[in-house]
Amino acid sequence: GNSVTQMEGPVTLSEEAFLTINCTYTATGYPSLFWYVQYPGEGLQLLLKATKADDKGSNKGFEATYRKETTSFHLEKGSVQVSDSAVYFCALLGGGADGLTFGKGTHLIIQP
Amino acid sequence: NAGVTQTPKFQVLKTGQSMTLQCAQDMNHEYMSWYRQDPGMGLRLIHYSVGAGITDQGEVPNGYNVSRSTTEDFPLRLLSAAPSQTSVYFCASSYGWQGAGNTEAFFGQGTRLTVV
Repeated sequence: GNSVTQMEGPVTLSEEAFLTINCTYTATGYPSLFWYVQYPGEGLQLLLKATKADDKGSNKGFEATYRKETTSFHLEKGSVQVSDSAVYFCALLGGGADGLTFGKGTHLIIQP
Repeated sequence: NAGVTQTPKFQVLKTGQSMTLQCAQDMNHEYMSWYRQDPGMGLRLIHYSVGAGITDQGEVPNGYNVSRSTTEDFPLRLLSAAPSQTSVYFCASSYGWQGAGNTEAFFGQGTRLTVV
């Protein structure tokens, strides 16, 4: 079946630091890949997505590139802010109708 | 535009009690789903529906029932609550699934359920 593996954290960084959150996946076929963000007390919001190999998703300064050869979709941001503190979920959507498969989530803490 | 609305936001149940978590969306989405979120486990799919009258089981369906009588509503029923069902529950909807148009899933704000 499908699976997503991501670093769990918590990841603690100083403001303006460079961020990488690793995500690798296992899936048959050609899944779509997503990063969702969950701010405290809220539901999940789509951050970015990529639907085919070599696509780069980007939003709010975050980027991730769909790498089929390494089955990865790492999230990066060049300069994080305190407001980026949240839980980040990597997810994939496979060929069936059974919805998104999520990683366990990475808790990111940005200190001023 | 309300998006996905879940009620209640918080609930405490005694073991053996029943309750229904409500979920409604106003985006005319065909696909709706229920997830539970537990520490260190991420989100796991409970049940999903690809349209009115059609439901199916996800990864962790035991102890939960669903129905989809309208496009807008997708309630989740706990028939006899157990402490293992203590969790945060999220409802999500989307226009479609893999390859079907806009595959972004919209999530409700969640229901925090405690079973004592």
